Amino acid sequence: DSGVTQTPKHLITATGQRVTLRCSPRSGDLSVYWYQQSLDQGLQFLIQYYNGEERAKGNILERFSAQQFPDLHSELNLSSLELGDSALYFCASSGLWRVYEQYFGPGTRLTVT
Amino acid sequence: SQKIEQNSEALNIQEGKTATLTCNYTNYSPAYLQWYRQDPGRGPVFLLLIRENEKEKRKERLKVTFDTTLKQSLFHITASQPADSATYLCAPSTSGTYKYIFGTGTRLKVLA
Repeated sequence: DSGVTQTPKHLITATGQRVTLRCSPRSGDLSVYWYQQSLDQGLQFLIQYYNGEERAKGNILERFSAQQFPDLHSELNLSSLELGDSALYFCASSGLWRVYEQYFGPGTRLTVT
Repeated sequence: SQKIEQNSEALNIQEGKTATLTCNYTNYSPAYLQWYRQDPGRGPVFLLLIRENEKEKRKERLKVTFDTTLKQSLFHITASQPADSATYLCAPSTSGTYKYIFGTGTRLKVLA
């Protein structure tokens, strides 16, 4: 158990809909990262937050947005969903001085039908 | 553009042998390189981090090397066990740019 929690575990929704994925980092970790993993793309970095502020952006679509709240939990919002958005979405967290040592949550499996 | 190559073919080895996985990268000079283990449908698990000024790092049965001239890292599991069967991802990282790029991983299967 990494100490990172994600909800929900599974999500099935229709094209065009909007969903919110939630992540709670390990106790004490200020950085949260979001990743997408699909079979043909591997693990793709989406976005990083540090103590409530956006720190880095990867291959995140404009239809996707995220935020980190004062209690350090984070939410990833996916809108106008397409079939190709079906994937595993992982959240990870890290300590202040160990940004390259990331601890991943169990993931949310999103299926868009 | 930055590119990471891991052997996409699965690696099958006999229990007790040493497994060696390769990670090659091109078009950048990472200051750190991480290795993660991932089981099907689960999140990656951090294993080891090696810095560019470290040639080798060990943790229990794991050993990682980092050759910045060859632009390659090798990941060794000695005395392998069926429980080591998983996909192993490498992630070479450039200091300060906050870019987190993972290789596609190599699937290891240890046969009993």
